[in-house]
Amino acid sequence: DVVMTQFPLSLPVTLGQSASIYCRSSQSLVYSDGKSYLNWFHQRPGQSPRRLIYEASNRDSGVPDRFSGSGSGTDFTLKISRVEAEDVGVYYCMQGTHWPPWTFGQGTKVEI
Amino acid sequence: EVQLVESGGGFVQPGGSLKLSCAASGFTFSTYWMHWVRQVPGKGLVWVSHINRDGSGISYADSVKGRFTISRDNAKNMLYLQMNNLRVEDTALYYCAREGQIDFWGPGTLVTVSS
Repeated sequence: DVVMTQFPLSLPVTLGQSASIYCRSSQSLVYSDGKSYLNWFHQRPGQSPRRLIYEASNRDSGVPDRFSGSGSGTDFTLKISRVEAEDVGVYYCMQGTHWPPWTFGQGTKVEI
Repeated sequence: EVQLVESGGGFVQPGGSLKLSCAASGFTFSTYWMHWVRQVPGKGLVWVSHINRDGSGISYADSVKGRFTISRDNAKNMLYLQMNNLRVEDTALYYCAREGQIDFWGPGTLVTVSS
């Protein structure tokens, strides 16, 4: 199984500043089609997760452009530019290249 | 509007059974893979099972293999998870989720297994 490792696990942020979350996979997530099936989700307290980024760097519809994803192979980054209060919660990466199983990172808690 | 609504959760003793349901609407259900993912309150997300568009392709996490059965009824736009021989460690919020790369989640249904 592919192990997904996120860091940091806790990230204090300042409103208006940028923040980055890192995700490392135990093996390359590049699929035979050249894409890396790495997704980022945001879960606010008491809510279900919402996908922000798919295929490592594509922003989902309606996701603010202050969220960006990058990386390929085994190392990936989610960057939040100009953090807003609504960005608090837990962020998860998830790989969908080597399945089953689909595997998630441990989660990174972002707090102001 | 895409909607996934889970139901069927509840309290059950170890060794018991429950059947979860997920009602899908707002999209063409039969064209999407579907998943069940669970989350112990306050903990991380754990994938449980997937089913492809017509039910011919199914997979399970090792922790539930042989005890849980995923199925779907495309005519009714419904996804199911039959859970047998439940264990205390199966206690979690169970989410129904859409698409291979999971682009949408339901609100979840809570399963509590305890004596």
